[in-house]
Parts: sequence; C-alpha cells; structure tokens
Amino acid sequence: GDSVTQMEGPVTLSEEAFLTINCTYTATGYPSLFWYVQYPGEGLQLLLKATKADDKGSNKGFEATYRKETTSFHLEKGSVQVSDSAVYFCALEDSNYQLIWGAGTKLIIKP
Amino acid sequence: ETGVTQSPTHLIKTRGQQVTLRCSSQSGHNTVSWYQQALGQGPQFIFQYYREEENGRGNFPPRFSGLQFPNYSSELNVNALELDDSALYLCASGRAHMNTEAFFGQGTRLTVV
Repeated sequence: GDSVTQMEGPVTLSEEAFLTINCTYTATGYPSLFWYVQYPGEGLQLLLKATKADDKGSNKGFEATYRKETTSFHLEKGSVQVSDSAVYFCALEDSNYQLIWGAGTKLIIKP
Repeated sequence: ETGVTQSPTHLIKTRGQQVTLRCSSQSGHNTVSWYQQALGQGPQFIFQYYREEENGRGNFPPRFSGLQFPNYSSELNVNALELDDSALYLCASGRAHMNTEAFFGQGTRLTVV
C-alpha cells in the first residue's frame, strides 16, 4: 500500500540555519503531497501542498518540490527561527482521498 | 484558529470502559475524519463520515465507531477500551472529495489505565 517515510528527529539547528527535512513516498499513481506542522499544544495545520509533478508548494518561507523521479517531497527553509520549532509531518492523499502520514520529524531551533 | 473544536481535551478511562469523543466541524464543511495519533507517530486514519454515513475506514476494529449529525458535528465511540488505545485522537473537517482542505482540531488526549 501507499506509504510515507520521513527523516527521523529530532533535528536540532541554530537560528538562521538552513533546514531540510527529507520525505519520500511510495504510491500508485501520482498523489497530492502535503506538509503539515504541529506546534506544541496545537492541532495539525497545513503548511504547504503540491498536487502534481514539479509543482512547488510554499508558505511562511518553507518550500517543497514534488519530485516524481525520486518520489520525494523534501521540506526546506533558508533561515529558520525559534518559532519554527514544531513537529513536521509529510503526507500523501491516496486514491480514496485519505491522508497517509509519515511518522513526523521534531524540529528544535536554538537561539 | 481552525474552527474545528474537540471535547474533551483530556480524558482518563479504565480498560474495558467505553468512551465518546466529540468534534464540531468548521462551518461549510460536510465531511469529518477521525485519526489516532500514538505518541511519537504520525496520525492513523480511523474513518471518515459524509452525509451521516461512513465513507471510508482504516485498519481499526469494529469497536471503533462513529456518528455524524445533520449539523456536521461528529462523535467517535470506542468500546472495550484497551491500553493501546491511549493516544491523541484528532478530528478533521473538510469538503467531500477534497481532503486537501481538511482542518484539524486540537485533539483529545485519551489515556487508558
């Protein structure tokens, strides 16, 4: 079945560092891909999405490109802030419109 | 603020008991999905409701059941609770066939002792 694999955390960076969180997927067809963020004590929020190959999703300085050839959707940000500390989830939408999730990557940004 | 509210926020139950969790959907949304998120894991899809009927189910036993009401609010019921049912339960509301627009509540933390 469809699955999502993302890099294990925690990922610890200093403020203003460059961020990459890797995400790869296995799916039949060409699913839509998402990054969700879960801040401490809050629910999941959609961060960005891409619906077809080569699409780039972006929001709040984060971006991710749908790479069909490598089945990847890596999350990047050029300069992270302490407020970016959260858990980040990569997900895909399967053929039944259900979300399949990765295990999450905890990001810790130190001042 | 997503407009999706869940209650209660925390709950402690004893093994074998039954529990009901509630979710109020965002205005204009007609589907509701429930997810179980174990500590340190990603959410696992339990089921989705659309027009008050179950519209897809994940790999969960029948003791997990749900209801959707005409005002699009929803309940998740779990019977015969087991210790492994301890998790964060998330509700997400959206529009039919557009889970891309789903908005999540803050979740209910269930602890089974």
